[in-house]
Order: sequence, then C-alpha cells, then structure tokens
Amino acid sequence: DIQMTQSPSSLSASVGDRVTITCRASDTVSRYLHWYQHKPGIAPKLLVSAVSTLESGVPSRFSGSGSGTDFTLTINGLQPEDFATYYCQQTYSALCTFGQGTKVEI
Amino acid sequence: QVQLQESGPGLVKPLETLSLTCTVSGGSISGGSYFWTWVRQPAGKGLEWIGRIYTGGSTNYNPSLKSRVTISTDTSKNQFSLRLNSVTAADTAVYYCARCRSNNDFASFDYWGQGSLVTVSS
Repeated sequence: DIQMTQSPSSLSASVGDRVTITCRASDTVSRYLHWYQHKPGIAPKLLVSAVSTLESGVPSRFSGSGSGTDFTLTINGLQPEDFATYYCQQTYSALCTFGQGTKVEI
Repeated sequence: QVQLQESGPGLVKPLETLSLTCTVSGGSISGGSYFWTWVRQPAGKGLEWIGRIYTGGSTNYNPSLKSRVTISTDTSKNQFSLRLNSVTAADTAVYYCARCRSNNDFASFDYWGQGSLVTVSS
C-alpha cells in the first residue's frame, strides 16, 4: 500500500492567513494526487485534482503543487468558510489511500 | 448536477450483513467511464477505501475487506450497493458513496454522498 502522511494534523489560523498543508507519499504517485475539503455532516468536496487542477467553482485562493512524493495544498487568505478538515488522496495504485487529515481551526 | 445519497439501516448486529444503497441522480450510472465507489470513516479515524465497480461491471476491492465485500449495481434504479458480511464493531463507521473519474482523469472522486452512519451492536 502507498501510505499518505499529512502534516500538520491540525492547525490554528485566522481569517486572512496563508495556510500550507503538506502531504508525503511513501512511493511515487505521479499526478494521481488530489485534495478534498470535509465539513461535518456534509459530503466531502474535491478541491484540487491531479496535483494542481482547481475544480470548477473552487475559489482561486486554493492551490496545489508538488511532484513525485511531496505535495502541498495552499490557501491564500483564509476565509471563514474554509475552516474544515482537508485530506490528500492518491489514486496511483489500485488501492487508493488517504492522508489522515488536517483540521484547520480558528 | 450529479448527486449521490446513501440509504440503509443505521444499526446492524454483529456477524450479520451490512447493506447500503447509493442512489445517483443527475446522471446515469451506466453512462460515461466512471468507477462507483464506497469509502468509510470510523469515528476519529481516517478515510478507508472499500471498493469500486466500473461502469462496465468489473469490481476492485480493498484486500483487507475483499473476503467480506460485494459491490453491485442496479441500473434500472440508477443505484449501486454495498454488502459487507460478518460485521464486527470494527465496521462501525460513516459510509460514503462516491463517483470516481476514469484513470484518464487521474481517478479523482468528484461527487460524494453525505454519508450514512452504520453502528454494529447487539
């Protein structure tokens, strides 16, 4: 299995802050790396697919980067609606796996 | 707009079978090149991929669950289903259904249901 390790597991931030979440894969995942936002009781939302492709309707303050095994999700100018848990995911292997999540709190 | 909605019992007894259905609206499960997928999240833990069924009917399962899992489709109802046999307390989780894009689109999960809490308890 390809293990996905996110850091930090949680962070405290304020509205307007720049937030960076990292995700490291135990093996190369090529461009099969995606980021999701999850709020309690709501369906998870795909934010960024294939490392850096912003999904339709996702604000441009979100961006993804990286290659190989190391990836980053950045939120430039945190907004109140951005407080949530964020997950990275690899779908390079048939057994897709998720990071453990990063909870962004006030 | 594609929408997915899970349904099924919220309480299952140990050693019995967990059954959930995902109803898809806004698109046909037999159209396009998609994998229809199940994911679960035990309380306080991360997301675990359970398995998927391709539009054409082929399936893939998480090896850790493969002996107990069956995913199937009912195209007449535009639904796909999960069956998990011989459940234990470790199977207590929120279960999500999701649509997975084809490998040409890097297999991201573009639509998800809101989740269905299933508790295994006598």
